[in-house]
Amino acid sequence: DTAVSQTPKYLVTQMGNDKSIKCEQNLGHDTMYWYKQDSKKFLKIMFSYNNKELIINETVPNRFSPKSPDKAHLNLHINSLELGDSAVYFCASSHRRGGNFNEQFFGPGTRLTVL
Amino acid sequence: GEDVEQSLFLSVREGDSSVINCTYTDSSSTYLYWYKQEPGAGLQLLTYIFSNMDMKQDQRLTVLLNKKDKHLSLRIADTQTGDSAIYFCAAVSSARQLTFGSGTQLTVLP
Repeated sequence: DTAVSQTPKYLVTQMGNDKSIKCEQNLGHDTMYWYKQDSKKFLKIMFSYNNKELIINETVPNRFSPKSPDKAHLNLHINSLELGDSAVYFCASSHRRGGNFNEQFFGPGTRLTVL
Repeated sequence: GEDVEQSLFLSVREGDSSVINCTYTDSSSTYLYWYKQEPGAGLQLLTYIFSNMDMKQDQRLTVLLNKKDKHLSLRIADTQTGDSAIYFCAAVSSARQLTFGSGTQLTVLP
């Protein structure tokens, strides 16, 4: 059983298009995340979200928006795609226990290529 | 905010030990983590250490934490070709956000 799944695995699209990446977790976690990994493998958090708060990395353009229809899903919508958006996008989830322990479970990633 | 740094590359011979180093800036980080990313896959938690510990050993893995110097290391004993991957150091910053280092590409040579 896949714990954190993402679709699609690969996404190739033209500049200016709007696209979505879906993420689902079946771990019963209450917090989900989106990360961007660039070509140099640097990993940057974009959003973290649970049913109480959305934390946005201030460097993320407002063309990116997370949408959570329920606790098991956090989709990523991207408007007006640009060449610099090409990257691998990872979804992750974790359970908000007491204290600061935060083990995150990652999806397999979605490779986005903008032409 | 938290800043986490690692060297980018490490090559070792099969059977040797690998040591991957990491430094972080936030002295209030309570948990520090090592994640492994294999080619074409997401990250998986390899091990972690709580800040009141100096060392943690788990089979071939040894984590050392020098809290005074804010230095974390991961030692892999008897490194195998299957250990070739990118290893990310991560620290919990405020608001329970994980801040990742740049990742260290470990290459194991036969």
